[in-house]
Amino acid sequence: SQQGEEDPQALSIQEGENATMNCSYKTSINNLQWYRQNSGRGLVHLILIRSNEREKHSGRLRVTLDTSKKSSSLLITASRAADTASYFCATENNAGNMLTFGGGTRLMVKP
Amino acid sequence: DTEVTQTPKHLVMGMTNKKSLKCEQHMGHRAMYWYKQKAKKPPELMFVYSYEKLSINESVPSRFSPECPNSSLLNLHLHALQPEDSALYLCASSQGTGFYGYTFGSGTRLTVV
Repeated sequence: SQQGEEDPQALSIQEGENATMNCSYKTSINNLQWYRQNSGRGLVHLILIRSNEREKHSGRLRVTLDTSKKSSSLLITASRAADTASYFCATENNAGNMLTFGGGTRLMVKP
Repeated sequence: DTEVTQTPKHLVMGMTNKKSLKCEQHMGHRAMYWYKQKAKKPPELMFVYSYEKLSINESVPSRFSPECPNSSLLNLHLHALQPEDSALYLCASSQGTGFYGYTFGSGTRLTVV
């Protein structure tokens, strides 16, 4: 079953602009992760933020987590055409044995 | 080796066929997973294996039968599938510590005719 929703469902921006995607979830979590998927193939892990963390950075990625609102955001700065993909948030349960995905955001970065 | 390898990449099978999907990892991960993904939808969890034992079955129909012969290998046996079972089947593995992300294979694109 799907853990929550992502918005927007689709986002189109110009190269060099920033892209922000939001994710909401329903249950208590151990951590929240973001993944990228190109052309319906395998998912690539981007970043993990634990439930006791509020913000994390990795290169051009910035992730925030608000456990009181059960929400997270992913910011991609200075986007590139190669960032065009689907982005999914996923939450790992407290038992650490189950990863549940949100609906995903399809990002298109125009050159 | 930091990859999860899935074979075959594409599979077309009839509704009366029996086939198997294979997944392999050599990262020493203790947990392995099968996910099903329909077009433009998020992956949905099917099965979880922890230390080679089935720990979670998300009410998957019995025409899907998972098997974990050893800590590096995960199979998904398919029998009497329906056209609506056509999807991308993804295998993943994790250390199970909650500090690291999951590693996904590139998937098997299954078409049931």
